[in-house]
Amino acid sequence: QQQVKQSPQSLIVQKGGISIINCAYENTAFDYFPWYQQFPGKGPALLIAIRPDVSEKKEGRFTISFNKSAKQFSLHIMDSQPGDSATYFCAAGHYGQNFVFGPGTRLSVLP
Amino acid sequence: DVKVTQSSRYLVKRTGEKVFLECVQDMDHENMFWYRQDPGLGLRLIYFSYDVKMKEKGDIPEGYSVSREKKERFSLILESASTNQTSMYLCASMASYTGELFFGEGSRLTVL
Repeated sequence: QQQVKQSPQSLIVQKGGISIINCAYENTAFDYFPWYQQFPGKGPALLIAIRPDVSEKKEGRFTISFNKSAKQFSLHIMDSQPGDSATYFCAAGHYGQNFVFGPGTRLSVLP
Repeated sequence: DVKVTQSSRYLVKRTGEKVFLECVQDMDHENMFWYRQDPGLGLRLIYFSYDVKMKEKGDIPEGYSVSREKKERFSLILESASTNQTSMYLCASMASYTGELFFGEGSRLTVL
């Protein structure tokens, strides 16, 4: 089974700070790396995704940084807000097919 | 908006009972998935389906089966529930041309 490792397990950040979550994958054939956000009582929802042909993708306060040679990618949340408090899952896989998910990071943003 | 509906949010069953978890999507997506979510383990794929009557095993298929008789409906079946199947079950659908998974809100199953 291909693994996706994710760290940290939990993260506490002050409002306005930067939240950083890191992931590492094993399969060099993977070509799609999404991040999902899950609020309590809800299913995960796509936050942002990247393909390996670019090293960075930014959408608003959310940025994915991708290092193909190191097989690592990370999520940066700038100006973190209490409303960002949620569990974040990275995933890796083949576009249009199934993914392997990381174990998740519980983010708490303090007001 | 895409809607993935899981018929039961909370279920309590006894060991040995047969359990059906139903999932319906309204966007004509080809691909459907069943995941199990446990703290610290993330989302683990149980089964998936790329088309009607087709199914593929995921990473943890033991103790589960699935049925996809219609494109919009994907059912997860626990033939004989066991206590280690107590978990949150998430259904998802995906259009193969977008790659985005749309999840239902989950079914929390407790097996006593």
